[in-house]
Amino acid sequence: EVQLLESGGGLVQPGGSLRLSCAASGFTFSSYAMSWVRQAPGKGLEWVSAISGSGGSTYYADSVKGRFTISRDNSKNTLYLQMNSLRAEDTAVYYCAKSLKPWELLDAFDIWGQGTMVTVSS
Amino acid sequence: IQLTQSPSSLSASVGDRVTITCRASQGISSYLAWYQQKPGKAPKLLIYAASTLQSGVPSRFSGSGSGTDFTLTISSLQPEDFATYYCQQLTAVTFGGGTKVEIK
Repeated sequence: EVQLLESGGGLVQPGGSLRLSCAASGFTFSSYAMSWVRQAPGKGLEWVSAISGSGGSTYYADSVKGRFTISRDNSKNTLYLQMNSLRAEDTAVYYCAKSLKPWELLDAFDIWGQGTMVTVSS
Repeated sequence: IQLTQSPSSLSASVGDRVTITCRASQGISSYLAWYQQKPGKAPKLLIYAASTLQSGVPSRFSGSGSGTDFTLTISSLQPEDFATYYCQQLTAVTFGGGTKVEIK
């Protein structure tokens, strides 16, 4: 079964850091671009970042550029999101998502994790 | 590229035909997807490439359009279809604001 499982969310103070992980199973992880998408409480979906299958290409939303870093370890089938200089407006459920087709960086997302909640508050 | 969904919410009855519109601020060819999200759950892919039904999605869902104007149609609304629907453009990955489909 194709599955994504996020972890690492929690409560952090403004200016703090957090690293999210997303463990993948059931597919050839290294063949697919992966993304992080977030959803603030009661709000819509916001794409955050994407990374190619090899990890050689990365993309960020303007709202997180310079503060967040996406990475992956294909030997561990795991995606990461390092979040620094966190702000209250980063409070959201963070989902990892798999691209529909292999080797397509910007694609529809056919598999999503269950989400992990990040709360930035003092 | 901005995506504008309309309406932002609608009320409908079981069996109704429902149409949701997504307009892009500039042409995106057919690089558009539609998702369904229920409360507390992750989004589910319904349609990609504007009109291709994702595997396992009921045929009452359909998508159409290209360029700047797109529609998602539910031909006969079922109880399990009450949810929020989002469009997504794939040239730079942004989402529309969502359309909440509620029970009349």
